[in-house]
Amino acid sequence: DTEVTQTPKHLVMGMTNKKSLKCEQHMGHRAMYWYKQKAKKPPELMFVYSYEKLSINESVPSRFSPECPNSSLLNLHLHALQPEDSALYLCASSQANLLAGGSYEQYFGPGTRLTVT
Amino acid sequence: RKEVEQDPGPFNVPEGATVAFNCTYSNSASQSFFWYRQDCRKEPKLLMSVYSSGNEDGRFTAQLNRASQYISLLIRDSKLSDSATYLCVVNKGGFGNEKLTFGTGTRLTIIP
Repeated sequence: DTEVTQTPKHLVMGMTNKKSLKCEQHMGHRAMYWYKQKAKKPPELMFVYSYEKLSINESVPSRFSPECPNSSLLNLHLHALQPEDSALYLCASSQANLLAGGSYEQYFGPGTRLTVT
Repeated sequence: RKEVEQDPGPFNVPEGATVAFNCTYSNSASQSFFWYRQDCRKEPKLLMSVYSSGNEDGRFTAQLNRASQYISLLIRDSKLSDSATYLCVVNKGGFGNEKLTFGTGTRLTIIP
């Protein structure tokens, strides 16, 4: 079953709030990802975790703080966001790439639609 | 030049027709290729991986031309449910390099 779940589905927060987005997968995948997607644009990678270690940070502002508590869970902590951070936040997972050459398909969760007021 | 380029469309195609999408990528070191579809306000869903030998899944056929750095997707006998945005996705691959690069997507509308 290729299923990635995300909570909450929708989130409205003020610029001074602190909130967290949660992602869970039970496919045994060891790589997990956060993406941000604005309307009519493709997803943009934010962070990659491989074997619970942060392996890629795409120069994301520090007001976004990822956390990988275990191999099934991925969180994104939000603090002091700006209205331009309003977007769909997508979590994805895949098998981790251990060999040079090729990579594995990523499976996306339904996303959290975030509005910053 | 963008890393992954697609015709943004929109493509408005009558039901039952055949439609083809093309995509080019700039990094010759790219090793993995995918087509995803994304419905309005939903997450991208993997449609198919693309292999050098070409691959087919029902009405969908994907081709890869490494020499020309070109990927294609063919949809035969199109259905209303095929209406979506189709994203061409490329990955350089390699250890620890799980970064997918997305094209801007091609919007397809199947007309009854």
